[in-house]
Amino acid sequence: DSGVTQTPKHLITATGQRVTLRCSPRSGDLSVYWYQQSLDQGLQFLIQYYNGEERAKGNILERFSAQQFPDLHSELNLSSLELGDSALYFCASSARSSSYNEQFFGPGTRLTVL
Amino acid sequence: AQTVTQSQPEMSVQEAETVTLSCTYDTSESNYYLFWYKQPPSRQMILVIRQEAYKQQNATENRFSVNFQKAAKSFSLKISDSQLGDTAMYFCAFMNPGGKLIFGQGTELSVKP
Repeated sequence: DSGVTQTPKHLITATGQRVTLRCSPRSGDLSVYWYQQSLDQGLQFLIQYYNGEERAKGNILERFSAQQFPDLHSELNLSSLELGDSALYFCASSARSSSYNEQFFGPGTRLTVL
Repeated sequence: AQTVTQSQPEMSVQEAETVTLSCTYDTSESNYYLFWYKQPPSRQMILVIRQEAYKQQNATENRFSVNFQKAAKSFSLKISDSQLGDTAMYFCAFMNPGGKLIFGQGTELSVKP
């Protein structure tokens, strides 16, 4: 158990819908990262937050957004869902925003878009 | 841009044997970290081993060790005394100065009894 929790574990929805994925980092970790794992694209970095502020953006679509709240949990919002958004979404946390800090991964949320 | 390449999509090894997984990367950074992650059928991402680029000594963690060749930008993982529980997808990853992890495409390892 990494100490990072993600809810829900599974999510099945229809095209065009909007969903919210939630992540609670390890106690004391200030930095949260979101990754997408799909068959087509592999494991890709989406976005990073540190202590409530966005720090880095990767290959995140405009239909996707994220935020980190004062209690440090983070939410990833996916809207106007398409079939290709079906993937495993991981959240990871680390102690600081600087490099070279180990990232601890949550169990992931599997999103299926029908 | 940094890239990570794993040229072996699948590998198999007999239990108790040794296997080496290959990884190459490309970067213009001089200081960085490299990782190997294991993803078993449960899909959990588990850190196997970490290597700091400024360290010449290869990292080891029990049965897992790396061969880090900085000039060649190569970072292979050796698993000794393979166990059935080592069956998993293995990802090589590069961490850039901002902390973002860049993953290779993965190598699916099967350990056969």
